[in-house]
Amino acid sequence: EAGVAQSPRYKIIEKRQSVAFWCNPISGHATLYWYQQILGQGPKLLIQFQNNGVVDDSQLPKDRFSAERLKGVDSTLKIQPAKLEDSAVYLCASSFSGTPQETQYFGPGTRLLVL
Amino acid sequence: GQQVMQIPQYQHVQEGEDFTTYCNSSTTLSNIQWYKQRPGGHPVFLIQLVKSGEVKKQKRLTFQFGEAKKNSSLHITATQTTDVGTYFCAGLSGGYQKVTFGIGTKLQVIP
Repeated sequence: EAGVAQSPRYKIIEKRQSVAFWCNPISGHATLYWYQQILGQGPKLLIQFQNNGVVDDSQLPKDRFSAERLKGVDSTLKIQPAKLEDSAVYLCASSFSGTPQETQYFGPGTRLLVL
Repeated sequence: GQQVMQIPQYQHVQEGEDFTTYCNSSTTLSNIQWYKQRPGGHPVFLIQLVKSGEVKKQKRLTFQFGEAKKNSSLHITATQTTDVGTYFCAGLSGGYQKVTFGIGTKLQVIP
């Protein structure tokens, strides 16, 4: 079974620039998560999708971050404009249905450096 | 909001020694998950605990969920160099199973 795919793996941009990350979850997984992991910290949930609907985006900085999952499969996360403090690894995860018993499978992450 | 605290943040042990990390939630959890993240890698699911007082074992790893479902622990017996990494707990609660990760415990095993 193919895992969660993410691209790009690395990205370096200057502050105030825009950046987009892509995630393709495991086939058949209804729930998709985007996390931000700052160095030395645990992953922080940014947004959770159930199919193409948003379940939780309470920690998404909506003035600069946006995410979509239009067809309920792959997803993009955008930052516009980026700030220095956005430097982090952005992890995408998916689970079969998002019910309490489900395991989350993480992708390799996109490492973002904002200069 | 829900907070999940994890201690210690760092632990160095001699190979063969035991290791324990503790997780405490500010709210009652529906369930708790444990993940391991190797250096430069992504979190990998280890186990999920659902029932109050539950204890599960995976070879040298023992996981416990507190009676009040607000705390949990992971104990590794006789650590090996392959155990190196950061261990995260993730508490789930609420109707949509909002997940909150702890800060993680970084384990270093000295050969």
